Amino acid sequence: QKEVEQDPGPLSVPEGAIVSLNCTYSNSAFQYFMWYRQYSRKGPELLMYTYSSGNKEDGRFTAQVDKSSKYISLFIRDSQPSDSATYLCAMTSIQGAQKLVFGQGTRLTINP
Amino acid sequence: DVKVTQSSRYLVKRTGEKVFLECVQDMDHENMFWYRQDPGLGLRLIYFSYDVKMKEKGDIPEGYSVSREKKERFSLILESASTNQTSMYLCASSSRGGGAEEKLFFGSGTQLSVL
Repeated sequence: QKEVEQDPGPLSVPEGAIVSLNCTYSNSAFQYFMWYRQYSRKGPELLMYTYSSGNKEDGRFTAQVDKSSKYISLFIRDSQPSDSATYLCAMTSIQGAQKLVFGQGTRLTINP
Repeated sequence: DVKVTQSSRYLVKRTGEKVFLECVQDMDHENMFWYRQDPGLGLRLIYFSYDVKMKEKGDIPEGYSVSREKKERFSLILESASTNQTSMYLCASSSRGGGAEEKLFFGSGTQLSVL
């Protein structure tokens, strides 16, 4: 079993829809959680960061962590075609990118 | 604008060749990383370096080596390329002690095909 599981999709939704992207994990020591967005033919870029449990909101994006269920989510409101990308979750038990464990990535397409 | 630059976007090599992938960052970052990205497997860390001439193995170092002679440059070396090393290679950098979020900055990747 992988330490971090993420449905690879692809996921296709109409413009304006609410999108929910999810990851589950098995290591209860994880406490730093991130979402990276990767456009086609580009490297990933950090989108959201959350420490421990709770929610974090940034514009149309909300990151949610439920440590009791070992489950994290990224919600995108009022989705736009420019949100079409692959979204990767990542997490670690300590500060320091060298220990980041990435999910497989979910490929998302927003249709105009 | 901060940048991580990978020298080649696409590379085609033959089995057994020695392959060099180069990466340069202009952010004066201490940490540099090499990942490979494969469908269904996500990003896997090959090697990382936290200082000049310092390196540590990641999760899949077999068949790879690295070199960091200058702070801004981190090279990945495939001593004898094999077909199972066909992949997208991503270089990244981060600032040590860069706050609670040690943000990774990625290059655009090198798609390597080994025939």
